[in-house]
Amino acid sequence: EVHLVESGGALVQPGGSLRLSCAASGFIFSSYEMNWVRQAPGKGLEWVSYISTSGTTIYYADSVKGRFTISRDNAKNSLYLQMNSLRAEDTAVYYCARSYYDFWSGFRYWGQGTLVTVSS
Amino acid sequence: QSALTQPPSASGSPGQSVTISCTGTSSDVGGYKYVSWYQQHPGKAPKLMIYEVSQRPSGVPDRFSGSKSGNTASLTVSGLQTEDEADYYCCSYAGSNNWVFGGGTKLTVL
Repeated sequence: EVHLVESGGALVQPGGSLRLSCAASGFIFSSYEMNWVRQAPGKGLEWVSYISTSGTTIYYADSVKGRFTISRDNAKNSLYLQMNSLRAEDTAVYYCARSYYDFWSGFRYWGQGTLVTVSS
Repeated sequence: QSALTQPPSASGSPGQSVTISCTGTSSDVGGYKYVSWYQQHPGKAPKLMIYEVSQRPSGVPDRFSGSKSGNTASLTVSGLQTEDEADYYCCSYAGSNNWVFGGGTKLTVL
């Protein structure tokens, strides 16, 4: 059974940094593309970032480009999101999501999410 | 990219069918065959219901179907069941390696 478990969410001040992690199990992690998707409290979903199986291809939403960095460690079955220069509008539950089978096929499996709150 | 437009709410009685629309532009919904739909129950993670406009992942009941015409995609839920009550989000590829979601539709089963 596929399991994705996010961690690292916290209360952080504007301008601060945070690193989220996503531990994957139940599938061959190195064979699947991964994403981060966020959801502000009471709001809709927003795609944040994508990383290919090898980590060589990476995409970001314009809203986080230059501030967030996605990475993965296939040996540790883990996905990461380094978030710098955080803003109030980054406050959200952050989900890691596995692509169904490629970049185009939708976000098939999701973790339970981790809450990031940016506030002074 | 602007969010795709969905009606805030939709409703139907058990056994009925309901269709939720998702309107974009020729730069997203109308330009690609990569539209997906997600179901989200309160406090839970989203669940993929439809991908590539009309494809159902394994395990999703065939009561759920997707289609697209021009710049508007649609999700139809047939034979409504109480457990179908949830928020539904559409998502489309928007070019330049970006994905855009709709604002979400709250489906109520009366």
